Amino acid sequence: QVHLQESGPGLVKPSETLSLTCTVTGTSISTYYWTWIRQPPGKGLEWIGYFYSSGRTTYNPSLESRISSSVDRSKNQFSLNLTSVTAADTAVYYCARVRSIATREVDIWGQGTLVTVS
Amino acid sequence: DIQITQSPSSLSASVGDTVTITCRTSQTTGNSLNWYQQRPGRAPSLLIYGASTLEVGVPVRFGGTSSGTDFTLSISGLQPEDSATYFCQQTYTTPPTFGGGTTVGI
Repeated sequence: QVHLQESGPGLVKPSETLSLTCTVTGTSISTYYWTWIRQPPGKGLEWIGYFYSSGRTTYNPSLESRISSSVDRSKNQFSLNLTSVTAADTAVYYCARVRSIATREVDIWGQGTLVTVS
Repeated sequence: DIQITQSPSSLSASVGDTVTITCRTSQTTGNSLNWYQQRPGRAPSLLIYGASTLEVGVPVRFGGTSSGTDFTLSISGLQPEDSATYFCQQTYTTPPTFGGGTTVGI
């Protein structure tokens, strides 16, 4: 059974860097594409980016200037860094699996982790 | 970016009713439209992909249709556990974008 688990600080100060890691179990991260999606409290969903085990990435243009990422295939993890955070970055951050590169539906989600910028 | 107008933003219905949620995209997205259900405090879960293909394990009372840039999620025979927020998502272009959500109250 595939499981995703987000980890990282729940509180980040304004102007600092938000760092999150997604640990994948039950499948190899080399088999699929992966994504981060966030949801401000009480609001809708915002796509952050696609991440590939090769290191290739596609980011949301609205966030691209502040995003960096990495993949650790030995630990089956991928990570997200978001710099210069503000209160607008307060959200539940989900890591998730993109099942098909053709249709790009997100079929497995982590439980999400709330990151507060304050 | 492709904009999605999802309506209504909320609705209330009774057990056994049929409800319909609509997403209209700002430009063609083919059939690259997915539907998700999000129960309070939980991560979203995939209901329908490719506009009309039911995800494995999803009850058949859920259905998706499309006509041009209009996409519809129907729930027939509404059940108490269907109380949730529903989002559509287009994946035709990058960045993929989501509708604003529809909260279904029972």
